[in-house]
Amino acid sequence: DAKTTQPNSMESNEEEPVHLPCNHSTISGTDYIHWYRQLPSQGPEYVIHGLTSNVNNRMASLAIAEDRKSSTLILHRATLRDAAVYYCILKNQGGKLIFGQGTELSVKP
Amino acid sequence: GAGVSQTPSNKVTEKGKYVELRCDPISGHTALYWYRQSLGQGPEFLIYFQGTGAADDSGLPNDRFFAVRPEGSVSTLKIQRTERGDSAVYLCASSLLAGYSTDTQYFGPGTRLTVL
Repeated sequence: DAKTTQPNSMESNEEEPVHLPCNHSTISGTDYIHWYRQLPSQGPEYVIHGLTSNVNNRMASLAIAEDRKSSTLILHRATLRDAAVYYCILKNQGGKLIFGQGTELSVKP
Repeated sequence: GAGVSQTPSNKVTEKGKYVELRCDPISGHTALYWYRQSLGQGPEFLIYFQGTGAADDSGLPNDRFFAVRPEGSVSTLKIQRTERGDSAVYLCASSLLAGYSTDTQYFGPGTRLTVL
């Protein structure tokens, strides 16, 4: 699976939008872009995934660049409960997830 | 419905001892995964089961680590002759549509293993 690059940490204010970037310049045509997050002292949880088109669900939106070499996870209104480590993962087959370091998001009241 | 459960939540053992960690996946999920997470790091893949068989055990660090899933549901991760470096949170996940790049994994809360 191809490698992703994310900032180590980001800060946001409560109730403001958050844009979490992910670079994946070596992505292949069959790689799906998955995002998981891990709240403190919990296991990771699925957030969203996409292939080429932008995706929305109740948790977040995923904006994928036209060349697919980068993507952005968008939390529309950050809450204190969104403070977590966010992982961007590429996957082109079933099986294991390969986690990087992720981005630690802190949300200030 | 019930999520993935793991027992025990915490396990403290002494160097050289044997430990077993248990995972109960979501009912009906055919795939089961084990990861371990050291402090400050992302989870690291250990082994993946499709049904009763290990489909990928490439992440097991050495032959002290072994996992089974005899009936295709509950899984046990077994660690022999534990070492202090085995201390970590051991995470289990399950998924419904194994074999697809779109399948979603659901994680348990983990077992924190401390080897003294």
